[in-house]
Amino acid sequence: GNSVTQMEGPVTLSEEAFLTINCTYTATGYPSLFWYVQYPGEGLQLLLKATKADDKGSNKGFEATYRKETTSFHLEKGSVQVSDSAVYFCALKANTGNQFYFGTGTSLTVIP
Amino acid sequence: DVKVTQSSRYLVKRTGEKVFLECVQDMDHENMFWYRQDPGLGLRLIYFSYDVKMKEKGDIPEGYSVSREKKERFSLILESASTNQTSMYLCASSLGRGLGGYTFGSGTRLTVV
Repeated sequence: GNSVTQMEGPVTLSEEAFLTINCTYTATGYPSLFWYVQYPGEGLQLLLKATKADDKGSNKGFEATYRKETTSFHLEKGSVQVSDSAVYFCALKANTGNQFYFGTGTSLTVIP
Repeated sequence: DVKVTQSSRYLVKRTGEKVFLECVQDMDHENMFWYRQDPGLGLRLIYFSYDVKMKEKGDIPEGYSVSREKKERFSLILESASTNQTSMYLCASSLGRGLGGYTFGSGTRLTVV
């Protein structure tokens, strides 16, 4: 079946620290992979995506590379800001059907 | 600005009440979804729809039903609300095969007392 596993939180970092949030997946075929961000009191927003192996998605300083050999899509940012404090969700869309499968979310708090 | 609108941000209902959660999108998306979000469990799919008057069960449909009479509107119905349905409910929509990702509403935090 299809599933996403992401690292447990919460994660607390100081401003300007390096961020990695691990995400691995199980899927049949060749899924598309996504990272969503949820700021306090809001719905989820698409952060970045990659639709095939070796693609790199990037947005707002965040990056993630679709690694088929390790079935991973880790989220990274070189220098986090207080405004990056949010919950981050890794998700996949299998190549059949339109349903997305989400990880459980990783809460990030950035302190000044 | 395209968006998905959920009718209420916060809702408090009594056990046994019939509850309607409304979701409207203005993007002409074919696909619409209802999730509930709970701490430690992430997002779980309740129901989804790929077309008007069409519905499919997700992973946790028990105690819920849906209605899609028009393309832009997807309603979630709690037939007889129970305290274990206290949760954040998120509506989402997508276009075609969904490769552009979902667009989410802001969520409805439902409390059943």
